[in-house]
Amino acid sequence: QLQESGPGLVKPSETLSLTCSVSGGSITSFYWNWIRQPPGKGLEWIGFTHHTGATSYNPSLNSRVTTSVDTSKNQVSLNLISVTAADTAVYYCARWSESVKAFDVWGQGTMVTVSS
Amino acid sequence: EIVLTQSPGTLSLSPGERATLSCRASQSVDSTYLVWYQQKPGQAPRLLIYGASNRATGIPDRFSGSGSGTDFTLTISRLDPEDFAVYYCQRYGSLPLTFGGGTKVEIK
Repeated sequence: QLQESGPGLVKPSETLSLTCSVSGGSITSFYWNWIRQPPGKGLEWIGFTHHTGATSYNPSLNSRVTTSVDTSKNQVSLNLISVTAADTAVYYCARWSESVKAFDVWGQGTMVTVSS
Repeated sequence: EIVLTQSPGTLSLSPGERATLSCRASQSVDSTYLVWYQQKPGQAPRLLIYGASNRATGIPDRFSGSGSGTDFTLTISRLDPEDFAVYYCQRYGSLPLTFGGGTKVEIK
């Protein structure tokens, strides 16, 4: 089970910070991803993170995003700096399964609006 | 970046009909990394097909995937009322991972 949490409203130019709580499985066994979906639009991959510290980000966001895994809390985090209205979206946490090479478990998503 | 183009954008069909959804890649995609998801309003996407043609756990056999190279297809043999949703293809193999724009299957 994955559960995203964080502020639903962020001001322009500020930092968007979200947490994904992982339960029912080993956080060290998977790559953890963030994916977002602007209202009425398609899915955009933000990036992945692994407990070893390995990360990879979408070049479209590379300079603004950081992700990490906290094994002591069983949580994955996302930070996106200098947000604009274009960052308004539902943000999903998703588990990448190496066995099927796909996102096999998704959180319910959390809506984040960027507005003053 | 490999771009995935899904067509049609919207498919209007009746329950019981066959749905054929296309996903075309701008460059050849390793079939191992071609995936299909279903998304219903207000819900997260759900894994349907992985490795281009393998049904995920619990997915009914009316769903099938096929294709290779740059052309992939998701087929729903007989639409059930619960199948009306948006379907996305997605590929990996090289970064960045990308999704198609989606096909909405709506009730005619």
